Amino acid sequence: EVQLLESGGGLVQPGGSLRLSCAATGFNFSNFALTWVRQAPGKGLEWVSAISNSGGNTYSADSVKGRFTISRDNSKNTVYLQMSSLRAEDTAVYYCAKGSGTSPKYNWFDPWGQGTLVTVSS
Amino acid sequence: QSVLTQPPSASGTPGQRVIMSCSGSYSNIGSNSVNWYQQLPGTAPKLVIYSNDKWSSGVPDRFSGSKSGTSASLAISGLQSEDEADYYCAAWDDSLNGPVFGGGTKLTVL
Repeated sequence: EVQLLESGGGLVQPGGSLRLSCAATGFNFSNFALTWVRQAPGKGLEWVSAISNSGGNTYSADSVKGRFTISRDNSKNTVYLQMSSLRAEDTAVYYCAKGSGTSPKYNWFDPWGQGTLVTVSS
Repeated sequence: QSVLTQPPSASGTPGQRVIMSCSGSYSNIGSNSVNWYQQLPGTAPKLVIYSNDKWSSGVPDRFSGSKSGTSASLAISGLQSEDEADYYCAAWDDSLNGPVFGGGTKLTVL
């Protein structure tokens, strides 16, 4: 069974940093793109960042470009989201999801992890 | 303001057929496939339809998807109480170079 398990969320002050992890099991991790999607409280889904199977290509939403960095370690079956210069509007549940191909482009996302909550507040 | 436009709510009674719409533009729906996600209350999203009209594993054939031009729709026939959820459409956007989501439609089963 394919499973994704996020960790690393928590309370952080504005301007602070946090690193999220997403550990994957049940599939050949190095063959698939991974993506991060967030959901602010009571709001809809917003794509954050994606990475190709090899890690050679990354994509990020304009809202996080220059502040968030996606990476992966195929030897550990884990994808990361390094978040810095955090703002109140970054408060959300962050989900990681498995892409349908090697490139993040044109993917569908299946499955999704259970999510980890990031709260940016003083 | 989401790039893809969905009505905020929809409703139906058990057994009815409900159709939810998703409107975009040439750079997203007009050029690329549409995927639909179901989010039950308090849970993570789940893929229900991919590539416009294909069922994800385990999804009943009461769910169906279609696309025409820059719009797409998700239909649920034989509505059941367990279908009550938020539904999101999504597609890759060639101009933004990333996937875009609709704002979601909250489906209520009366």
